[in-house]
Amino acid sequence: AQTVTQSQPEMSVQEAETVTLSCTYDTSENNYYLFWYKQPPSRQMILVIRQEAYKQQNATENRFSVNFQKAAKSFSLKISDSQLGDTAMYFCAFMKGSEGANSKLTFGKGITLSVRP
Amino acid sequence: DSGVTQTPKHLITATGQRVTLRCSPRSGDLSVYWYQQSLDQGLQFLIQYYNGEERAKGNILERFSAQQFPDLHSELNLSSLELGDSALYFCASSPTNMNTEAFFGQGTRLTVV
Repeated sequence: AQTVTQSQPEMSVQEAETVTLSCTYDTSENNYYLFWYKQPPSRQMILVIRQEAYKQQNATENRFSVNFQKAAKSFSLKISDSQLGDTAMYFCAFMKGSEGANSKLTFGKGITLSVRP
Repeated sequence: DSGVTQTPKHLITATGQRVTLRCSPRSGDLSVYWYQQSLDQGLQFLIQYYNGEERAKGNILERFSAQQFPDLHSELNLSSLELGDSALYFCASSPTNMNTEAFFGQGTRLTVV
């Protein structure tokens, strides 16, 4: 079974600064996907970024980028130029990519990020 | 807007009752997933349907059941409700059965009193 660990329950960052959210995972799979989802106070789950395990290049989406270390099973999210709208709970999630596997997500417990004005 | 619609947004009911949560997936998506988010358990996968058939089960209680209809909308039925069933229930959909991320609805907040 897969596990996803987010050990930091809360973080705070000043507006316009950079913050990194940590995530580690454990799996015996070789083919998988990793995601960061954002849950603002509206409670909507919003996909932030996706990383395929077979890709060595780290994914980037505008101000959001990841540091994917496959051997260390680490998948951190860097938010650059933090904005007030980034205040939310962030979840790291794992999905198997094997043939025949379903696409269920295994989530970490989440981290609450507060952006200070 | 993710394109996934869940109704109702809020539901308050008494212990022992039965409720039905409804989900309309994004247009063209064949897979529907149900997740439960609670303070103590976090976000947990409950069940997945793909093109009308049950595809995978997670930590879903026997008191809970789901189905996906020919028009691909899905319903999650929760019966003999207990206080501990109070949670946010999410539906998510994806185009296929694998290798694609899911897009989430806004959730149904269930409060059991």
